[in-house]
Amino acid sequence: DAGVTQSPTHLIKTRGQQVTLRCSPKSGHDTVSWYQQALGQGPQFIFQYYEEEERQRGNFPDRFSGHQFPNYSSELNVNALLLGDSALYLCASSFATQGNTGELFFGEGSRLTVL
Amino acid sequence: AQKVTQAQTEISVVEKEDVTLDCVYETRDTTYYLFWYKQPPSGELVFLIRRNSFDEQNEISGRYSWNFQKSTSSFNFTITASQVVDSAVYFCALSEAGESNFGNEKLTFGTGTRLTIIP
Repeated sequence: DAGVTQSPTHLIKTRGQQVTLRCSPKSGHDTVSWYQQALGQGPQFIFQYYEEEERQRGNFPDRFSGHQFPNYSSELNVNALLLGDSALYLCASSFATQGNTGELFFGEGSRLTVL
Repeated sequence: AQKVTQAQTEISVVEKEDVTLDCVYETRDTTYYLFWYKQPPSGELVFLIRRNSFDEQNEISGRYSWNFQKSTSSFNFTITASQVVDSAVYFCALSEAGESNFGNEKLTFGTGTRLTIIP
């Protein structure tokens, strides 16, 4: 049973560029959440997708956008990259049922470096 | 606004010692959930436990135990007889119950405690 998979694992971009990160949720999961983890910090919630729609959003600018596909996989897009966008981007999946355990399954992340 | 404070940035203990990781939280919600996650060097966060605000019963799972006290807004995590494999960064997190199915996925994390177990 494959867990949450993310790609790429590492990438380097320059300021002003755009980046797309990809996530495949754990088998059977239909909800994907994205988190940004700066070095030495805790993860911060970016947004969550369910049924191909953004359902919740954290305090991130519109440069951060996403998409969920019919197979539940998801993409995170960041435009006009800033140095401060350098971080580990974590994808988490879950199954959206009332009273779910709240147990998020995380991938190993995509480490983005902006130069 | 929700906030989670993990005052201990780094802890080092010798193998087989007991260690407690502290977590203090702030929320205006009466219904909320508290979590602990472990982050090994590989990067993925591993779920350890979830408690809801109405269940203050302490929990024990093998060498792990958790102490939830609403009176002090704390949710501390103790590892008994620590092992080298316990070395990792540990995060405490908080989420609102939410009115929909989606409340549990928006977690507010603390800054983490890096635990090093010395052989």
